[in-house]
Order: sequence, then C-alpha cells, then structure tokens
Amino acid sequence: EAEVAQSPRYKITEKSQAVAFWCDPISGHATLYWYRQILGQGPELLVQFQDESVVDDSQLPKDRFSAERLKGVDSTLKIQPAELGDSAMYLCASSLGPGAQGKLFFGEGSRLTVL
Amino acid sequence: QQQVKQSPQSLIVQKGGISIINCAYENTAFDYFPWYQQFPGKGPALLIAIRPDVSEKKEGRFTISFNKSAKQFSLHIMDSQPGDSATYFCAANAGGTSYGKLTFGQGTILTVHP
Repeated sequence: EAEVAQSPRYKITEKSQAVAFWCDPISGHATLYWYRQILGQGPELLVQFQDESVVDDSQLPKDRFSAERLKGVDSTLKIQPAELGDSAMYLCASSLGPGAQGKLFFGEGSRLTVL
Repeated sequence: QQQVKQSPQSLIVQKGGISIINCAYENTAFDYFPWYQQFPGKGPALLIAIRPDVSEKKEGRFTISFNKSAKQFSLHIMDSQPGDSATYFCAANAGGTSYGKLTFGQGTILTVHP
C-alpha cells in the first residue's frame, strides 16, 4: 500500500538552530500538506500545496518557517531558528486534490524536540 | 468560530462495550466531517466520514451520528475491541478552496480493556 514518506522520524536540536523535514507524498497525489501536532492536541494546518503552488499558508509562521515543493512532488519544511515552542510532531499528508475533500493520507510524522 | 470541541478527553471501555465520542462545531460553512484514528507513533488515518445531508453513517462497527440543528456529531464504536485502543480525532472541513484544511478536535484517548 502506498504511503507518505517522511524523514527524519525524530530530530533533537537546540534552540536557534536550523532544522529541515522532508516529505514524499503518495504518487499521483497533487495536493500536499504540512500539519503540526502539539502533544495532546489535534493537528493544525501549516501549509497546503497544489502541485508546486502554495494554496494556503495563513497559519505558517513565516518569520521562521518556510516550505517548498519545487517540482510538485516532494516537499521540504524548514525552521530557522528553532524555538522551544516549536517542539511538536510535524505531519505531512497528501491527497488527490479538490475531489477528495478532507480525505488526507498522513505520514508517520517527524517529531521535533527543541532544547 | 473555527473550533471543533471534542469530548471526552479519555475513555475507558471494556471489551464488547460501546465507545461514544462527541464533537460540536460552530462554523456553519463546514460540510464534511471525518473521523481520524491515530495509533502511537503513527500519523492519523481516515476512519469514517459524513456529510450533513444525512443523519447517520455506518461502516462495520463504526457509526457516525449527525445532528445538523445542534451542530453536533458523534462516533459510536460497537463491540469495542482492544485493537481499537487509539486516539480518535473528529474534524471538520469547509470545502471550496479549503478542501484540505481540516479543523481537528482535541482528541480522545480510547482504551479498551480485554
């Protein structure tokens, strides 16, 4: 069964350092999402791509976070500099597109700990 | 207005019992209500979903009940099994250009004792 691949699974970093997460969506899925899940809470959307274009980044803290999906396939989420409050699970998800409303396939996530 | 409120935070059920998780929303633009199941160390996975034009949807042991006038919906797990032990999230989506933006509840940790 096709899966959304994410790496690294775990990342420990010190505050003010840079960190990057990578995601490879399910083949053929045009839409890619980055969600952040703080421990004990539901995921929250950070950024949504349709192919290589950003559809929604209204909740992305743009002073320190950036995301790209250059060729419309895999994607990278970067945080620079990391802050203590960024400790969370970063989930990548993909879907077929507008016809698959709300039907997202999530990866296993990248757990970030900022010391 | 974008919130989805979920209860209870945690739930303990005996094997064979019924698990019930409730959610409420405010935004009347929401028109798609999925439930996601998350096991430890895994990402959420779509379990079942409903649109507000129906009051109930059943898939196997899982049933969503939807009350449009009260803006509430719930997940019922019949004959609960230890393998159902997971965190369950209700969510809501408004469609249109927000087709992928899910507003999640806080989650319910379900434990099913053998």
